[in-house]
Amino acid sequence: DTAVSQTPKYLVTQMGNDKSIKCEQNLGHDTMYWYKQDSKKFLKIMFSYNNKELIINETVPNRFSPKSPDKAHLNLHINSLELGDSAVYFCASSQGGVDTQYFGPGTRLTVL
Amino acid sequence: AQSVTQLDSHVSVSEGTPVLLRCNYSSSYSPSLFWYVQHPNKGLQLLLKYTSAATLVKGINGFEAEFKKSETSFHLTKPSAHMSDAAEYFCVVIPEDGSQGNLIFGKGTKLSVKP
Repeated sequence: DTAVSQTPKYLVTQMGNDKSIKCEQNLGHDTMYWYKQDSKKFLKIMFSYNNKELIINETVPNRFSPKSPDKAHLNLHINSLELGDSAVYFCASSQGGVDTQYFGPGTRLTVL
Repeated sequence: AQSVTQLDSHVSVSEGTPVLLRCNYSSSYSPSLFWYVQHPNKGLQLLLKYTSAATLVKGINGFEAEFKKSETSFHLTKPSAHMSDAAEYFCVVIPEDGSQGNLIFGKGTKLSVKP
């Protein structure tokens, strides 16, 4: 069974649309994360979330919002998509702190 | 603020020769450091991690890294490269306020392995 899964794997959409990426982990972890990988392969944290606290990277536009229906899921909603949002988005989970983070396979978002 | 610097954006080796991927970190205290690997069009996989136990850390697939506080380095090595090692490698640190475990990634080193 896949530990951290994301859907869809590929997402192509027009500027201005609203889209969501889903993430699920079956590891029983308390903390989940979203990372963005740009065209130069640079990875940057967007959000981290456990059942107590959401920490938002200050550089993330408020068009991006994480939603967690339960401990095993952290979905990423993006409103009014822009060309610059094109990237690969990775979900991850861990027990928090310095524990190993397990990554999903990534979602390649292309905004036309 | 903590950060990591990967000194080479691209390293090319021949199959069967040693691999050295360099990483330096900046930290005001003993950091937690990781190496992750990303194969083409794949997700990220943990190779190894250092969390203030033994300074020489052994990982998967024959990789290891040595934490050297005096040099603020955490270089990744492998005695003999295999074609399947061709991938992007990321050196990663957890920031000082690590309560949420947010990872800070280096810019990556692309490893090419020639037959």
